Amino acid sequence: GENVEQHPSTLSVQEGDSAVIKCTYSDSASNYFPWYKQELGKGPQLIIDIRSNVGEKKDQRIAVTLNKTAKHFSLHITETQPEDSAVYFCAASTVVNYGGSQGNLIFGKGTKLSVKP
Amino acid sequence: DGGITQSPKYLFRKEGQNVTLSCEQNLNHDAMYWYRQDPGQGLRLIYYSQIVNDFQKGDIAEGYSVSREKKESFPLTVTSAQKNPTAFYLCASSPQGNQPQHFGDGTRLSIL
Repeated sequence: GENVEQHPSTLSVQEGDSAVIKCTYSDSASNYFPWYKQELGKGPQLIIDIRSNVGEKKDQRIAVTLNKTAKHFSLHITETQPEDSAVYFCAASTVVNYGGSQGNLIFGKGTKLSVKP
Repeated sequence: DGGITQSPKYLFRKEGQNVTLSCEQNLNHDAMYWYRQDPGQGLRLIYYSQIVNDFQKGDIAEGYSVSREKKESFPLTVTSAQKNPTAFYLCASSPQGNQPQHFGDGTRLSIL
């Protein structure tokens, strides 16, 4: 089945710097890749996602890139702010029923991002 | 306000006791999911349901049970067969599978 590896597990940056988190996946059939931000004591919140027919997607200070050939995708946060401090999870979706619309998310183990003022 | 509500926020279980975690959504989503989160780990899928009256086991279903009698509700029971139930439990929903999942704020279960 699908396996998602996420690196680094912790990341500390200075306010205003950029942060990059990388994920690799194993199943070439995966076609949906969301990123979630989880603050302490809360549920994960979807911040950006990308589908396999697109190589890059951007939303203000965050962007995601996808390399299907290499089976990896990355989250880029520019001009980081203290409120960006949280745990970030990547995920990949595999098709459960061939020909159907089902897809269960397989998550990476998370990256704890700390942005120092 | 549309969203997913999990209750209670904190729950304690005695040895040999079954406990039920509530998950309600008013987003009119077809699919609902239960995940378990342990420290330093990603989310692991316990059970999921794509439609009312149907549900499937995820990767770690042993010791858990669910029901899906109503579209908006997907309760999770942690049975006494689950020997290591202490964890943070997250419920999610999506319009259909392979579409963005929206999460509740979780229930933290501990053993007394």
